[in-house]
Amino acid sequence: AQKITQTQPGMFVQEKEAVTLDCTYDTSDPSYGLFWYKQPSSGEMIFLIYQGSYDQQNATEGRYSLNFQKARKSANLVISASQLGDSAMYFCAMREATSGNTGKLIFGQGTTLQVKP
Amino acid sequence: DAGVTQSPTHLIKTRGQQVTLRCSPISGHKSVSWYQQVLGQGPQFIFQYYEKEERGRGNFPDRFSARQFPNYSSELNVNALLLGDSALYLCASSPEGSFSEQFFGPGTRLTVL
Repeated sequence: AQKITQTQPGMFVQEKEAVTLDCTYDTSDPSYGLFWYKQPSSGEMIFLIYQGSYDQQNATEGRYSLNFQKARKSANLVISASQLGDSAMYFCAMREATSGNTGKLIFGQGTTLQVKP
Repeated sequence: DAGVTQSPTHLIKTRGQQVTLRCSPISGHKSVSWYQQVLGQGPQFIFQYYEKEERGRGNFPDRFSARQFPNYSSELNVNALLLGDSALYLCASSPEGSFSEQFFGPGTRLTVL
């Protein structure tokens, strides 16, 4: 079963506008963490934001915020004031506490974001 | 501080050959994980090492092996290369006891001809 689902293969956004990238997840583990990474064409995975399953507040990091809806099992990434440099592939990932100390991240298929000038 | 480093950046091999990829974690990080990312897909977990011991293994054949050295750097070895092994291989490091942090290197792009 797919544990991380990103339903938007590609998205376009106008420069300076906000955009939401969708992510739903599936786990029976009460303790888990959700991550968003940005992958430019160079290939490096750049950490953006983290949300723990027990965190009461939605995570924010600069222009990035995570809209965490636990009951719906969704963890959407919101990018405010898009910039041309935001054009990249974005991955949602999950780590489950039951994976123990493996550090294993489960990734979705990714969403390609293109920012138009 | 330097981030996670990987070498080589690019590699071209032929079917049946063997390859070794290298990773140096962020200073102070004792955990190293390896991921394979085939073009157009998300990364897939291969291995995690902590304090030189294998802590986790993904669904990969025995042709894939790894090890971690006393300085916490790591090598990923792939034997009897197949065309399907062509991918970006990513290394990630984590600080001890951290659930929320995993930082990736730039990756090694392996092409098998």
